[in-house]
Amino acid sequence: AQSVTQPDIHITVSEGASLELRCNYSYGATPYLFWYVQSPGQGLQLLLKYFSGDTLVQGIKGFEAEFKRSQSSFNLRKPSVHWSDAAEYFCAVGGYQAGTALIFGKGTTLSVSS
Amino acid sequence: EAEVAQSPRYKITEKSQAVAFWCDPISGHATLYWYRQILGQGPELLVQFQDESVVDDSQLPKDRFSAERLKGVDSTLKIQPAELGDSAMYLCASSSPNPGTGETDTQYFGPGTRLTVL
Repeated sequence: AQSVTQPDIHITVSEGASLELRCNYSYGATPYLFWYVQSPGQGLQLLLKYFSGDTLVQGIKGFEAEFKRSQSSFNLRKPSVHWSDAAEYFCAVGGYQAGTALIFGKGTTLSVSS
Repeated sequence: EAEVAQSPRYKITEKSQAVAFWCDPISGHATLYWYRQILGQGPELLVQFQDESVVDDSQLPKDRFSAERLKGVDSTLKIQPAELGDSAMYLCASSSPNPGTGETDTQYFGPGTRLTVL
């Protein structure tokens, strides 16, 4: 079955500390992987995506993610968290063919403490 | 920067009433998706269009939900009658394949419509 697992429902990080959000996927074909961020009451904004090539991808707002095929993981990282990063983060997987619907994880809520 | 537009942003209705949501995708995007996001969950696909044709509506509760994209541009999602369990965020997204390869491309999401059924 195709699925995305985000093991951490809620994470609290101190401002300025590093962050890692975990994502594991199960997909029967070559996965195309995405991280989206959602602020309360808002739609989803794309942070970064992995299609192929370099397994370390850079995104907006200083985020990066690393694709590890052997571990079926696509973890999101940021070296120094800002209070404005508090939001909900979703990992998603899709397929090669255009028009493949995304399968999302249940999300991780990030709180930032001062 | 082009965006996906949705309206209304918020809708409160009573159960058994009819509601409709509208989505205008990014210009030129042939593929349009409607997702439903229940509080505390990730979005789940309801229906997907390629131009004006439905590609996947396997998760759409067809006894009460309908969706159309008559001219292959904007789309309407309707619920009739609404039930308490329909309270959720309804997200519209659009995408367009990479020309030449047909490879998948990024889905861009609108701000969503928050539906509350009383």
